[in-house]
Amino acid sequence: DAKTTQPNSMESNEEEPVHLPCNHSTISGTDYIHWYRQLPSQGPEYVIHGLTSNVNNRMASLAIAEDRKSSTLILHRATLRDAAVYYCILRDVTTSGTYKYIFGTGTRLKVLA
Amino acid sequence: NAGVMQNPRHLVRRRGQEARLRCSPMKGHSHVYWYRQLPEEGLKFMVYLQKENIIDESGMPKERFSAEFPKEGPSILRIQQVVRGDSAAYFCASSPPFGGNEQFFGPGTRLTVL
Repeated sequence: DAKTTQPNSMESNEEEPVHLPCNHSTISGTDYIHWYRQLPSQGPEYVIHGLTSNVNNRMASLAIAEDRKSSTLILHRATLRDAAVYYCILRDVTTSGTYKYIFGTGTRLKVLA
Repeated sequence: NAGVMQNPRHLVRRRGQEARLRCSPMKGHSHVYWYRQLPEEGLKFMVYLQKENIIDESGMPKERFSAEFPKEGPSILRIQQVVRGDSAAYFCASSPPFGGNEQFFGPGTRLTVL
């Protein structure tokens, strides 16, 4: 039931930028795009979210395609602590007002020293 | 401000026993979500609760599973007569009133059924 498609795994060298892609071709006009990451043995951690415009925060940048059918999470300088599973999620607002997340399998990012 | 707290962090049960998982949301948060994560898989939504109300339980198995979020105290996810297939990590998340744009996750409870 996941609405997003991500590569299973990616590798990056430390101190280099990382671009994590996500396809969401069935996105609706009101779906927000959220990114979370999960470090080993921990709960997911919020990274960034957006609707239409590109977004920047202290952790990352989010580039959203003009047609909104894909997005890219950008880590500007990967560190060893960024090694995690990154989830691209469409926030699904149901008729009952639930803001539930539909997680896919995510991208496992490996950072090489 | 303490984050979302879950306890126990690890829980071992034998088949047929009951498991009770607790979640204390962040201060000021009145919305609680429960998710289940099987090994090597993403999280699956189970249930969404507000104080004293179940809003959406579309992800809950029909039998043996129940959840509550009383007026006072933590949210409880209860699994009766556990089976080996219930072994998983169970995560709780909370968000402030009116939904908000972010869910804050706890560290999870890892349930092992022997």
